[in-house]
Amino acid sequence: AAGVIQSPRHLIKEKRETATLKCYPIPRHDTVYWYQQGPGQDPQFLISFYEKMQSDKGSIPDRFSAQQFSDYHSELNMSSLELGDSALYFCASSPRDRGLWNTEAFFGQGTRLTVV
Amino acid sequence: AQKITQTQPGMFVQEKEAVTLDCTYDTSDPSYGLFWYKQPSSGEMIFLIYQGSYDQQNATEGRYSLNFQKARKSANLVISASQLGDSAMYFCAMSGASYSGAGSYQLTFGKGTKLSVIP
Repeated sequence: AAGVIQSPRHLIKEKRETATLKCYPIPRHDTVYWYQQGPGQDPQFLISFYEKMQSDKGSIPDRFSAQQFSDYHSELNMSSLELGDSALYFCASSPRDRGLWNTEAFFGQGTRLTVV
Repeated sequence: AQKITQTQPGMFVQEKEAVTLDCTYDTSDPSYGLFWYKQPSSGEMIFLIYQGSYDQQNATEGRYSLNFQKARKSANLVISASQLGDSAMYFCAMSGASYSGAGSYQLTFGKGTKLSVIP
């Protein structure tokens, strides 16, 4: 079965550089979520999109922005990178037509970002 | 606000034995979903099992079962017949209901329990 695809899997950037992470959701999933997981931490919600519109916002720094495109893939843009941005970044997707709450939330394999 | 508490930072279990990972939650919303994920050392987040707040029966998926006690607000994961490949970090997570129709059901995670299976 198709899964959530994230690219790249690993990324090394220097401080103050820019990074772009990509996420391709499971087919027919129209909602995309981004999470950040620091070393030894639990994942923290950053931002989500439904039908190409931002639907909710978590603890996302102002230096980060994201969007969802017409083919439902999403990109997380990170500027002025700091050492503390080093983390595992997950994208998850779920279908909209599941009633009031989520019954499926499948994650990609993550992008491991290292800022040096 | 939603909160997930996992009180066991680390657990050990003998291979082929059963193990229970604890999870308690707090929410004021009557409708919610509870999830368990497995995260091996390679980093991917693997979905294991889901329980809805209105589900009458406990969820089961192969060797995984969720012991859902709504009045106690607990959603413990039971792994039967542990295998060496079960060694990983396990996260309990909760999704709230979205009444606004915005379609966003982000997850709130606990701190995780690191399970080590001993041969």
